[in-house]
Amino acid sequence: EVQVVESGGDLVQPGGSLRLSCTASEFTVSPNYMNWVRQAPGKGLEWIAVFYGGGDTYYADSVKGRFTLSRDNSKNTVNLQMNSLRPDDTAVYYCSRNLYYWGRGTLVTVSS
Amino acid sequence: DIVMTQTPLSSRVILGQPASISCRSSQSLEHSDGTTYLSWLHQRPGQPPRVLIYKISNRFSGVPDRFSGSGAGTDFTLRISRVEAEDVGVYYCLQAAQFPCTFGQGTKLEI
Repeated sequence: EVQVVESGGDLVQPGGSLRLSCTASEFTVSPNYMNWVRQAPGKGLEWIAVFYGGGDTYYADSVKGRFTLSRDNSKNTVNLQMNSLRPDDTAVYYCSRNLYYWGRGTLVTVSS
Repeated sequence: DIVMTQTPLSSRVILGQPASISCRSSQSLEHSDGTTYLSWLHQRPGQPPRVLIYKISNRFSGVPDRFSGSGAGTDFTLRISRVEAEDVGVYYCLQAAQFPCTFGQGTKLEI
């Protein structure tokens, strides 16, 4: 069964860093559009980044310059390195293959 | 960025009756490859989103045929032919024709 599983969510102080991972099962991440979407508490869905093709990435303005995507083909994972975290980054972060298959999400809380 | 506008933002429906949600985009969603990348997602409380419809009118695997999508260009509609109790939650339209991908505000469906 095609599956993506997010991990790495945690409580972090403002200005801190965190790395999220998205692990794929029953498919290979490299030829797919691997997206990250987040949802702040009680809010709607916000697309934030994608890793696609031969290694191209695209970021929403809200995270550009602070978040960085990477891919580990040996582990079949896509990682989201989040730096300079702010309270408004608090959200459930979802990984999605092609915006069709979604994980259950991992919670990131940015608070002192 | 393409702005996605959904109407209504909330709807109370009767079990067994039809329901529809509209989504309008600020630009055409037809990609240069000729495909219109407009999807509809459903999210129940406490659950992740799941895709119902992709490329305007294609039902995703396992989605009941009471769900249907239509539209073209900038105007799209999701229809539920006969609402069931499990259909409560929030519905989102999503465009993936152009980065950044953008979602509608969400439509809350209540019974």
